Amino acid sequence: GAVVSQHPSRVICKSGTSVKIECRSLDFQATTMFWYRQFPKQSLMLMATSNEGSKATYEQGVEKDKFLINHASLTLSTLTVTSAHPEDSSFYICSASHRVLQSSDTQYFGPGTRLTVL
Amino acid sequence: AQSVTQLDSHVSVSEGTPVLLRCNYSSSYSPSLFWYVQHPNKGLQLLLKYTSAATLVKGINGFEAEFKKSETSFHLTKPSAHMSDAAEYFCVVSGMDSSYKLIFGSGTRLLVRP
Repeated sequence: GAVVSQHPSRVICKSGTSVKIECRSLDFQATTMFWYRQFPKQSLMLMATSNEGSKATYEQGVEKDKFLINHASLTLSTLTVTSAHPEDSSFYICSASHRVLQSSDTQYFGPGTRLTVL
Repeated sequence: AQSVTQLDSHVSVSEGTPVLLRCNYSSSYSPSLFWYVQHPNKGLQLLLKYTSAATLVKGINGFEAEFKKSETSFHLTKPSAHMSDAAEYFCVVSGMDSSYKLIFGSGTRLLVRP
């Protein structure tokens, strides 16, 4: 149980285009989803926290107009990188948790999405 | 505020020998502590979690960790390393506030020599 998927696993796009990444909880309802960014050989950096049906809470220094997060249902959150540039190239990982069915602070992670902006 | 320090950026062991990955934490509260593993270009997999029920926590794949409050440590161990254990390991503490954010250590890369 507690499986989280991400799509796509890899994406290559041209500079200036927008890219959408999906994060789905497959076998549980995720009241909270988190989006992380990971640079090569570094730890995970939390970008934002999203609760179903409400606006995402962004970490300091993360541009909310550039990284659009939508958590429209209990099983789906999306991250859209708008007007992507080469410096946005990174590994993006989502995670999900449910405060009732599972321990509130346990997060289950997706497999990640490798974004390359040319 | 909570924080976590992984004392070694790289650990190299021979296959079949014990593994020790060190982690120290700082927390104003009784924390929830986790170890996650990440294989190359993959997401994170939960190895084990400490929640104050027992100080010795057994996880998957033969890993275990012991919570030592007096030393503020939560070291990860395994009696015998396997080649498939080669990966990046993250020690994580829960933020313990209403956001349930996780605070990650910098990671330890485990290398297993044949």
